[in-house]
Amino acid sequence: AQSVAQPEDQVNVAEGNPLTVKCTYSVSGNPYLFWYVQYPNRGLQFLLKYITGDNLVKGSYGFEAEFNKSQTSFHLKKPSALVSDSALYFCAVRDRGDSWGKFQFGAGTQVVVTP
Amino acid sequence: DTGVSQDPRHKITKRGQNVTFRCDPISEHNRLYWYRQTLGQGPEFLTYFQNEAQLEKSRLLSDRFSAERPKGSFSTLEIQRTEQGDSAMYLCASSLGTSDYEQYFGPGTRLTVT
Repeated sequence: AQSVAQPEDQVNVAEGNPLTVKCTYSVSGNPYLFWYVQYPNRGLQFLLKYITGDNLVKGSYGFEAEFNKSQTSFHLKKPSALVSDSALYFCAVRDRGDSWGKFQFGAGTQVVVTP
Repeated sequence: DTGVSQDPRHKITKRGQNVTFRCDPISEHNRLYWYRQTLGQGPEFLTYFQNEAQLEKSRLLSDRFSAERPKGSFSTLEIQRTEQGDSAMYLCASSLGTSDYEQYFGPGTRLTVT
């Protein structure tokens, strides 16, 4: 079984400050990890993924995430947040051993960036 | 590439009625997924198609739910005898065939059962 925890329902940050959204996961095997963003009444938009290799992955819109195997974490970061980054962020995991590739999503973290 | 599209975007129905949603994936994607998202939660997996074959169904998919993907192109999700608990956003996603690819999501169909 696989699971994802996003411990914070909401993260508040001032524009220009660093943004971190936390994610921890549990899978029986090795994970593929993903971050998505959702704007109101919209579908999910892909930000970045960790498959293998360098633990620091860079994605769209200046976001990056660091895979930490020992802590089973995959936190999303952005050095300088923008008001337009205000949205709902989802972490997702899939087990490499799952042939069908279905995702397990966290409950989401609402990011609020204030001017 | 026009992305994943879903129709309708919103559906209001009375309890007990049947509803059908359509998803058109990205044209070269052979994998198609349906998810359900309720308020305050992340998407929950419902079912998966590889080409026209439905290969996995979640326990969330009761016998009132049925999904098809004829000819491996668009997919439909039907809910029979809708209940208020079916009210949710229904999301469709597609991806390429290898296992490490991200899924691309459509805008979703928001179902309200009154």
